[in-house]
Amino acid sequence: GAGVSQSPSNKVTEKGKDVELRCDPISGHTALYWYRQSLGQGLEFLIYFQGNSAPDKSGLPSDRFSAERTGGSVSTLTIQRTQQEDSAVYLCASSGGLYTDTQYFGPGTRLTVL
Amino acid sequence: QKEVEQDPGPLSVPEGAIVSLNCTYSNSAFQYFMWYRQYSRKGPELLMYTYSSGNKEDGRFTAQVDKSSKYISLFIRDSQPSDSATYLCAMRGASNYQLIWGAGTKLIIKP
Repeated sequence: GAGVSQSPSNKVTEKGKDVELRCDPISGHTALYWYRQSLGQGLEFLIYFQGNSAPDKSGLPSDRFSAERTGGSVSTLTIQRTQQEDSAVYLCASSGGLYTDTQYFGPGTRLTVL
Repeated sequence: QKEVEQDPGPLSVPEGAIVSLNCTYSNSAFQYFMWYRQYSRKGPELLMYTYSSGNKEDGRFTAQVDKSSKYISLFIRDSQPSDSATYLCAMRGASNYQLIWGAGTKLIIKP
């Protein structure tokens, strides 16, 4: 079946611009995660959606970052007024439930802020 | 100090060698331990999953957890060039769904 897809695969933007990153999770998966991966760093948790519950936004680094998940499926991560330190790979993952440790990752969006 | 420490490498070994990858952690509440493999420009994929202490074997891969030492290992036997990737450890406590990730070790298997 289809895995997790993300778009765009690459995004180059200028400092100060807003960007939107999209994630299409595996159909039927109730849990969706966004992570950030900088060069040589582990995965940094950003936000978590589980079903209809309020999202866990505890990992968002600043109020420039926001995310939504529409209809319990597609998710969009928005970064406003991008900064050079936002340059990283943004990974989306989905899983079957709250304590399901098998997370299925998309290929990521590589964001470069000039 | 990070909750999970992992040597970023790179670790370069010849084909056929036994590889040992390791993570140490500080939180004694961690009970679920995972190893993910990440190929270049791809997302991570789950490789091994272990609950609590002990060993788990799957083909050429063995995951080992030593909770008394707060140390986990992944062994790869008869390593192949196709095993070249970054290996990330991840773990969590029983009541916390959020995974805590190591930085990943880049492994290079030389033909």
